[in-house]
Amino acid sequence: GDSVTQMEGPVTLSEEAFLTINCTYTATGYPSLFWYVQYPGEGLQLLLKATKADDKGSNKGFEATYRKETTSFHLEKGSVQVSDSAVYFCALNRDDKIIFGKGTRLHILP
Amino acid sequence: GAGVSQTPSNKVTEKGKYVELRCDPISGHTALYWYRQSLGQGPEFLIYFQGTGAADDSGLPNDRFFAVRPEGSVSTLKIQRTERGDSAVYLCASSPGRGARAGNTIYFGEGSWLTVV
Repeated sequence: GDSVTQMEGPVTLSEEAFLTINCTYTATGYPSLFWYVQYPGEGLQLLLKATKADDKGSNKGFEATYRKETTSFHLEKGSVQVSDSAVYFCALNRDDKIIFGKGTRLHILP
Repeated sequence: GAGVSQTPSNKVTEKGKYVELRCDPISGHTALYWYRQSLGQGPEFLIYFQGTGAADDSGLPNDRFFAVRPEGSVSTLKIQRTERGDSAVYLCASSPGRGARAGNTIYFGEGSWLTVV
């Protein structure tokens, strides 16, 4: 069945470092792809999305490109901040619902 | 309110008891979802409503779990004969139209933390 695999955490970086969180997917057809973020004490919220191959989603300095040939949707940010510390979930849609990966916890040190 | 509202935010119950969790979606959103998130895991799909009807209940783990949305807005997730393995955060989400299929954003509540002792 459809699934998402993302790198295990926790990932610990210093402020201003470059971030990559890997995500690959298995799906029939061409799903939309998402990154959701869960900040401490808050609910899940959409960070960015891409609905077709080669689309790039971007928000708050984060980017991810929908790569059909490698079935990937890696999350990147050029310079992370302490406020980016959170759990990040890669996800895809199957029909009307979202299927999530297990999440990657990110710690940013000042 | 402006967002998805869930009550209670925390619930501790004894094994074998019955529990109800409530979700008030964003006004006008026809799609409503229930997910379960265990510690260290991603949200796991339980059930999806379009309006009043359950369009997909394939994620409900067994017949102890049931959900309703009688008027197409508020939804209640009901768990009978609770077990310790039911302990998790139960997340509700809503979306306009056909939800994720149309690429719509799905908006999540902060969840109801259920602990079965």
